[in-house]
Amino acid sequence: TQLLEQSPQFLSIQEGENLTVYCNSSSVFSSLQWYRQEPGEGPVLLVTVVTGGEVKKLKRLTFQFGDARKDSSLHITAAQPGDTGLYLCAGTHNAGGTSYGKLTFGQGTILTVHP
Amino acid sequence: NAGVTQTPKFQVLKTGQSMTLQCAQDMNHNSMYWYRQDPGMGLRLIYYSASEGTTDKGEVPNGYNVSRLNKREFSLRLESAAPSQTSVYFCASSEFATGGPDTQYFGPGTRLTVL
Repeated sequence: TQLLEQSPQFLSIQEGENLTVYCNSSSVFSSLQWYRQEPGEGPVLLVTVVTGGEVKKLKRLTFQFGDARKDSSLHITAAQPGDTGLYLCAGTHNAGGTSYGKLTFGQGTILTVHP
Repeated sequence: NAGVTQTPKFQVLKTGQSMTLQCAQDMNHNSMYWYRQDPGMGLRLIYYSASEGTTDKGEVPNGYNVSRLNKREFSLRLESAAPSQTSVYFCASSEFATGGPDTQYFGPGTRLTVL
């Protein structure tokens, strides 16, 4: 099993602060995704990164895929209470083009942004 | 479109009882998945169905069985429930594009407690 380690597990900050969540593995991933999950709901995809060194921005969220495709980070600028939720990274391995569907999830980071 | 629907939303079982969790998607997706989510452990894949007529084990299949009834429906059965199966269960579906990473769409989850 290829593991994804997320850190920190919990993050409690004030509105307006910046934060970074990390996702690390000893394995190379074909692609890395970030999901956000709110209480009582299923995860929702935020972004997919596929190229080593790739950086994607989604409003105040910046996602980066490591050069070696073993790690990723999510940076939130000027966090807002609406950003509160569980953030999950998930990776896929492409074994000859047949494994794109299977995701390996990290443990998740619970983010709380206080007004 | 309803997306991915799951029934029931909540269930309490006694040890040894059996039950079936139902999942349906209306997006004409080829692939469907069952995950369980436990605190501090992210989502772990139980079983998946890459296409209609096929099913395969995921990371934690013991104690579960699945049926891909048709392209829309994928059910998860607990034959003899155990307290260790207390968890939140998520069904997901995806197009499963072999040429690139997939987006998985998740249902709202079933909260199962086994006493």
